[in-house]
Order: sequence, then C-alpha cells, then structure tokens
Amino acid sequence: QVQLVQSGGGLVSPGGSLRLSCAVSGFTFSDYFMAWIRQAPGKGLEWVSFISHENDYADYSDSVKGRFTISRDVANNSLFLQMNSLRVDDSAVYYCARCKGAVTPALDYWGQGALVTVSS
Amino acid sequence: EVVLTQSPGTLSLSPGERATISCRASQSVRSPYLAWYQQKPGQPPRLLFYGDSNRASGIPDRFSGRGSGTDFTLTISRLEPEDSAVYYCQQYVYSPWTFGQGTKVQI
Repeated sequence: QVQLVQSGGGLVSPGGSLRLSCAVSGFTFSDYFMAWIRQAPGKGLEWVSFISHENDYADYSDSVKGRFTISRDVANNSLFLQMNSLRVDDSAVYYCARCKGAVTPALDYWGQGALVTVSS
Repeated sequence: EVVLTQSPGTLSLSPGERATISCRASQSVRSPYLAWYQQKPGQPPRLLFYGDSNRASGIPDRFSGRGSGTDFTLTISRLEPEDSAVYYCQQYVYSPWTFGQGTKVQI
C-alpha cells in the first residue's frame, strides 16, 4: 500500500535551517509529482512547493521562494524540503503529499506531518 | 493569486441532514483543476474529489462535487457522525496553488 513517512521536524531558532524528509513506498516514485503543504497551528492549508516526476521542474510559493528547496532522491524513494533562513511565521505542520497526476495533480496520499517550530 | 472563498465558515447539522459547502474562485478555474479535501483533527487531509467531479478511492457516494468556472459545491447527503471535519477546496491550475479557508462541519 502507498505510504509516506515523514521525519525531520523540530525546534529551530529564527534564521536557522532544517531539512524535512519523506520516505515513500508502495508506488513508483519516479512516476509522480510530489508536493509539500503546511498548516500553521489552528489555521488552514498552504501550498509550499511541488517538484516534477523527472526532477526537472519545481515551483514555490512566494512566501518561501529563495529560502526553501525541494528535491527528490529516486534511488532512495525520498522527498526532501531544505528550509533555510527560517522565520517565526514558518512554524507549522508540514505535510508531504503525492500528486495524483501531472495533469490533475490533486493530492491523493499524504504523510503524517512534521511539526516545525521556529522560536527563540 | 486565485483566492478561493468557502462558505459557510461553519455548518452545524444533525445526522441524516444534507450539507452544502460552496467554494467561489476569484477567477475562472476549469473543473479538472479543482479538488476537495476532508481533514479531521490531528490527521492529514484526505482527498475527496478531483478533476471533473471524480470521487477519490474509498469515498462513499453520499459525497458529491459539482461546479464550473468560479462556483463549485461539495454536497454531503445523509450526514453521519464521522463526517464531522473541516473541508477544503483547492485549485491547481494557477501558481500558486491555493486552498479555501475551510468549512467546519459539526454534527
């Protein structure tokens, strides 16, 4: 069955860095776009980034562009989000998610979430 | 940025009743590029509908989605207690992908 298992959340000081990981199984990783979505405490969902299945295109929300980098390791079936220059308002639960298709990239499978807290 | 506005913010209904949630887009969104999700407390969202009102795997047929252009609707007929959740619409035709602010359904 499809599984997305996340790791890497935690507490970091403003200006610090953190790397989130998402280990996937149960499907051919290289066939699917992947995405990161975040949710601040008590708030709604916010798209962060997606990456193409062939690792040749990525897009970011304006709020993280230039600070966050999405990447994937096909050999190890893993998705990553490198987060630099973290700010207090980056505090959220971060979810990795699989995009159902390149044409209709609805998010059909999600990781369990990783809490990132940016605080001094 | 495409703004998705959901209404109402909260719905309080009884088991067996019908819930209707609206999602209005600030500009036209072709229906293949809109999805609906359900999120229960402490859980990740769950895909309900995508594309041209395609029901996701395992979603019961009392959930239905329709709409086009700027107006979309999620309907839950015959509410059951486990339908208590927050429901979100999302568009993925324009960057940035955006979500509605959510509608809380209380049963």
